Amino acid sequence: DSGVTQTPKHLITATGQRVTLRCSPRSGDLSVYWYQQSLDQGLQFLIQYYNGEERAKGNILERFSAQQFPDLHSELNLSSLELGDSALYFCASSATSPPYEQYFGPGTRLTVT
Amino acid sequence: LAKTTQPISMDSYEGQEVNITCSHNNIATNDYITWYQQFPSQGPRFIIQGYKTKVTNEVASLFIPADRKSSTLSLPRVSLSDTAVYYCLVAIAYSSASKIIFGSGTRLSIRP
Repeated sequence: DSGVTQTPKHLITATGQRVTLRCSPRSGDLSVYWYQQSLDQGLQFLIQYYNGEERAKGNILERFSAQQFPDLHSELNLSSLELGDSALYFCASSATSPPYEQYFGPGTRLTVT
Repeated sequence: LAKTTQPISMDSYEGQEVNITCSHNNIATNDYITWYQQFPSQGPRFIIQGYKTKVTNEVASLFIPADRKSSTLSLPRVSLSDTAVYYCLVAIAYSSASKIIFGSGTRLSIRP
């Protein structure tokens, strides 16, 4: 158990819909990262937050957005969903100082039908 | 941005030492090199991290040459449970413009 929690575990929705994925980092970790992993693909970094502020941005679509709240949990919002958005979405957290190991949650499996 | 290249797959046998190399020709001064292990439908798990020379922990060793353009993850005496995908990650520790790039991963298969 990494200490990172993600909800929901599974999500099935239709094209055009909007969903919110939630992540709670390990106790004490200020950084949260979001990744997308399509079937049999590698991990694509989406975005990183540090103590509520956006720190780094990857190939995140404009239809996707994220935020980190004062209690440090984070939400990833996916809108106007397309079939190609079906994937595993992982959240990870890390401590503040380098070297920074990332601890990954169990993931949310999103299926868009 | 540092882009990483790894072999797509590797096969080995139980009890052997396995070395997986990652190329990162454009690594920057502040980049750390980290390796992760991932089992199907699970989140990646941290294995080891280094900046230069050699790092060893209870599960693996990481060798980084002086030019830091590559790194090698060494798994001693592998077992069937080491069958997984191994990712090399190069990332800047601090930067407002940093990006985090995972390699494409190496699918390691261990046979009895």
